[in-house]
Amino acid sequence: DQQVKQNSPSLSVQEGRISILNCDYTNSMFDYFLWYKKYPAEGPTFLISISSIKDKNEDGRFTVFLNKSAKHLSLHIVPSQPGDSAVYFCAASARTGGFKTIFGAGTRLFVKA
Amino acid sequence: ETGVTQTPRHLVMGMTNKKSLKCEQHLGHNAMYWYKQSAKKPLELMFVYNFKEQTENNSVPSRFSPECPNSSHLFLHLHTLQPEDSALYLCASSQGLGSYNEQFFGPGTRLTVL
Repeated sequence: DQQVKQNSPSLSVQEGRISILNCDYTNSMFDYFLWYKKYPAEGPTFLISISSIKDKNEDGRFTVFLNKSAKHLSLHIVPSQPGDSAVYFCAASARTGGFKTIFGAGTRLFVKA
Repeated sequence: ETGVTQTPRHLVMGMTNKKSLKCEQHLGHNAMYWYKQSAKKPLELMFVYNFKEQTENNSVPSRFSPECPNSSHLFLHLHTLQPEDSALYLCASSQGLGSYNEQFFGPGTRLTVL
């Protein structure tokens, strides 16, 4: 049973528009959430994170929103650029869970020029 | 070299072969990880080492054998693998363990088992 779910395998967005990538989780003990970005032939790279004590974290064009009651988080990219085309992984961890970071299956984002 | 490096980048092996994957991190981190990524599946944690000591074996079959001689190097020894073991194997490192430690990944080894 997947504890972190990314239900959209792919998303296509026009350049300049907003990209919204969604992630749901089932474990209420998760207290730290991360987004990683992966280009082909490269490993995932850390993008942005959020602690459960916050509901929003912003870094330039990237904003992560956390809705704890719904066990849902989303990554917003505004404006989207062709270079943002990649696979985005949502991940979650819990202090009480030791050191395991649980990853979702990823969403492939295509940004069309 | 900077960051996390992995060799080889691609590996094709038969089911009776023995091979090893190598990972090296140049970040001064204390924790290292092996993940398996199969197509359209989440990254699966395989092993975790902290200060060279194995702290996690996520029910991985014994045909996968990790080795961590020091905090900078991590190996994954492969023996009598199955075709379903074909996947991308990713190594990662972090400063420490715990949920607030961002992981840095290598580029992965694409393994094909014939």
